[in-house]
Amino acid sequence: RKEVEQDPGPFNVPEGATVAFNCTYSNSASQSFFWYRQDCRKEPKLLMSVYSSGNEDGRFTAQLNRASQYISLLIRDSKLSDSATYLCSPAGGSYIPTFGRGTSLIVHP
Amino acid sequence: DVKVTQSSRYLVKRTGEKVFLECVQDMDHENMFWYRQDPGLGLRLIYFSYDVKMKEKGDIPEGYSVSREKKERFSLILESASTNQTSMYLCASRTGDNEKLFFGSGTQLSVL
Repeated sequence: RKEVEQDPGPFNVPEGATVAFNCTYSNSASQSFFWYRQDCRKEPKLLMSVYSSGNEDGRFTAQLNRASQYISLLIRDSKLSDSATYLCSPAGGSYIPTFGRGTSLIVHP
Repeated sequence: DVKVTQSSRYLVKRTGEKVFLECVQDMDHENMFWYRQDPGLGLRLIYFSYDVKMKEKGDIPEGYSVSREKKERFSLILESASTNQTSMYLCASRTGDNEKLFFGSGTQLSVL
């Protein structure tokens, strides 16, 4: 089993839609979780941190399910500018940050 | 704001050349990392460093070496560049385990 698994997509949604991505991880010792956003040919940038059960920031909500070892990212009222690749990254427990391969989101008019 | 600076945004080198990629961070971070990113393969860890003069191999260290003589600077060295090292190279740093990463803007390296 890969350490971090994400559906690569692409998720193709219209503006205004709600979309959710899941990320599963294998290291049960992971203590903190991050979602990064990466635009084409740019570096990943932190979108959200999750340290307990979840986190909400405007249109973005992250939920953590430790029992099932997955994290989700929900985007409400999608904007064209949300089009990007979203990387999931559990941290802690192994000292090496791990990343999923990312989920591609395309928001169309 | 934390700044992680990579010396070059684009680089073109010839096969067999020795290549240096420099990365500097300005927030006194302990940990620094070098990744390469290729389409469909995600981020792959080449080397990392927990502290000055310390280095550890990541998942794909072959053909690379690193140097960390000062806390703020982490250099990636391609001893003899090959065409299969054409890639986007990303440097990152963080304060410690469990913490988020800050990335540099990346170096797109082409080896001809």
